[in-house]
Amino acid sequence: DTGVSQDPRHKITKRGQNVTFRCDPISEHNRLYWYRQTLGQGPEFLTYFQNEAQLEKSRLLSDRFSAERPKGSFSTLEIQRTEQGDSAMYLCASPRGSGGTLGTDTQYFGPGTRLTVL
Amino acid sequence: AQSVAQPEDQVNVAEGNPLTVKCTYSVSGNPYLFWYVQYPNRGLQFLLKYITGDNLVKGSYGFEAEFNKSQTSFHLKKPSALVSDSALYFCAVRDMRDSNYQLIWGAGTKLIIKP
Repeated sequence: DTGVSQDPRHKITKRGQNVTFRCDPISEHNRLYWYRQTLGQGPEFLTYFQNEAQLEKSRLLSDRFSAERPKGSFSTLEIQRTEQGDSAMYLCASPRGSGGTLGTDTQYFGPGTRLTVL
Repeated sequence: AQSVAQPEDQVNVAEGNPLTVKCTYSVSGNPYLFWYVQYPNRGLQFLLKYITGDNLVKGSYGFEAEFNKSQTSFHLKKPSALVSDSALYFCAVRDMRDSNYQLIWGAGTKLIIKP
């Protein structure tokens, strides 16, 4: 158990519907990452929070995607007007600091939310 | 541009034999390098990382990896493979100059260990 939880684990929706995923990271850490992983591929970076602030968004993140991290704790990722191309595993990651230089810490991943858009 | 290459989509090894999963990288600064493993329908699990120091890094489940700066490689190795090592393996790199600490990922290598 990495200490990162995600909900739901699976989501099946019809095209055009909105969906929201939740990530509860390792509680003491201020950074949180969202990735998307399609079958047979490595994770692709979507967005990154430091506390409440969303510091970077990938160009992959269209206007239909929005992420929040109120109070710097859990985070939500919402997809509006879902499309079949949105079907993927959505992964959340939270670092555990190694006590050394920033950037040396390891990202620990939640189990992911698998989205299927019909 | 930063990138990671895992040149083999699949590696087949007999149980008990040594295994190697290859990874090469390209970054503008010095790299931080990581290996993760993913079992079916599971999230990514951290195996090991190279930050600095000894080029040979030891990690979980008997895995190790060797950092080779001149060849820009970070191959994953294990002296004696187990059937339970069968999984998808991902190499990732972070450029130490990247203030957002993003990980750049390879496409993954499927490791199949045959009894």
